[in-house]
Amino acid sequence: GAGVSQSPSNKVTEKGKDVELRCDPISGHTALYWYRQRLGQGLEFLIYFQGNSAPDKSGLPSDRFSAERTGESVSTLTIQRTQQEDSAVYLCASSRRGGGLSEQFFGPGTRLTVL
Amino acid sequence: AQSVTQLGSHVSVSEGALVLLRCNYSSSVPPYLFWYVQYPNQGLQLLLKYTSAATLVKGINGFEAEFKKSETSFHLTKPSAHMSDAAEYFCAVTFGNEKLTFGTGTRLTIIP
Repeated sequence: GAGVSQSPSNKVTEKGKDVELRCDPISGHTALYWYRQRLGQGLEFLIYFQGNSAPDKSGLPSDRFSAERTGESVSTLTIQRTQQEDSAVYLCASSRRGGGLSEQFFGPGTRLTVL
Repeated sequence: AQSVTQLGSHVSVSEGALVLLRCNYSSSVPPYLFWYVQYPNQGLQLLLKYTSAATLVKGINGFEAEFKKSETSFHLTKPSAHMSDAAEYFCAVTFGNEKLTFGTGTRLTIIP
């Protein structure tokens, strides 16, 4: 496809369970970002991948959150032992290259609900 | 640390009226500023960006924004609102590093 895709689009889970969220960036985009959007709030940066560089994990809220990226393709965001406060829309974005000036293209998001 | 403040989490305007969405930034160095729009059930898309060239930036769908250093502002405007403009709008800032810092968003409602 031409855009960033994310799966699943919706995920309902029980407190304490682990979840995996997937992001397929635009082909050829070297940079990939994960954000969290809680209800009524702005986008919260989580993690950034740029090529083969070490990822910038400075936005991850706790050690329950982790993310991986295979080369310059798919990324998976994993949340272990989910809590109700993890409920949010998780957005993935990719850009042609890193750096703040490179336009980020966003996926539709995964809506996570933790019961 | 960089930050942006969007005044007004909800803005309502009549169809055909001026749209004004406010964004102020905090910075000690020249920023790069962005406006993104999120239509219902869609991902965010870039409306326009300021990258230290012209201070008046034109974007898609008739929107424009003016960078005012003296006021540390980057307000978004459109002369005449259309029903299709109903969406959530996010202002964002970066200083050339990899991370965008987003505001909390302004939900725009258009009154027929």
